[in-house]
Amino acid sequence: GAGVSQTPSNKVTEKGKYVELRCDPISGHTALYWYRQSLGQGPEFLIYFQGTGAADDSGLPNDRFFAVRPEGSVSTLKIQRTERGDSAVYLCASSRLAGGEDTQYFGPGTRLTVL
Amino acid sequence: EDKVVQSPLSLVVHEGDTVTLNCSYEVTNFRSLLWYKQEKKAPTFLFMLTSSGIEKKSGRLSSILDKKELFSILNITATQTGDSAVYLCAVEAFNGSSNTGKLIFGQGTTLQVKP
Repeated sequence: GAGVSQTPSNKVTEKGKYVELRCDPISGHTALYWYRQSLGQGPEFLIYFQGTGAADDSGLPNDRFFAVRPEGSVSTLKIQRTERGDSAVYLCASSRLAGGEDTQYFGPGTRLTVL
Repeated sequence: EDKVVQSPLSLVVHEGDTVTLNCSYEVTNFRSLLWYKQEKKAPTFLFMLTSSGIEKKSGRLSSILDKKELFSILNITATQTGDSAVYLCAVEAFNGSSNTGKLIFGQGTTLQVKP
């Protein structure tokens, strides 16, 4: 595929609602990463998938956050009972090889605003 | 705790100037250091550095890593307005037996190039 794509590009929701953010990695890329970027900060790691399995979810802030990648391609980040502090840009990245053996290519991000 | 610190946080120059951006890090089990350029949305890959003292160049951009002093610099010569962006430094560290490839980012340096 052309590049990593993410949908929606913007999402506005109310506090307490559930949201899903989607990531389509570059075709054939094994590894997929989610990061969160707050205003004025660098991206922070959330979770890493190698194929279908979450190999490292140590960056998920709490149990309201969950991500899946059921067929080893598209991934969905799910946030339950959203809070205002969840407002940020959520970035997805993919790489050809797993385990950091290759460059990570980033998508344009989803800007989440929780009112 | 692993951390990456960039300086300066922001910089304003005029077209034609040369700039040097700094990145220092403290990580356990260093694997590689990466530079990304972030304009509106997706960070775009610039360089990956793994060995000390070997300069990487791409056009007017160059970067070098010092693994003894734990820092890297990114140089941009003959700056242009199109170089205006946030420049992100990230470090990848080994994570025990399973290397996830997750990146630890600095805050970024915001560069503004005036005509």
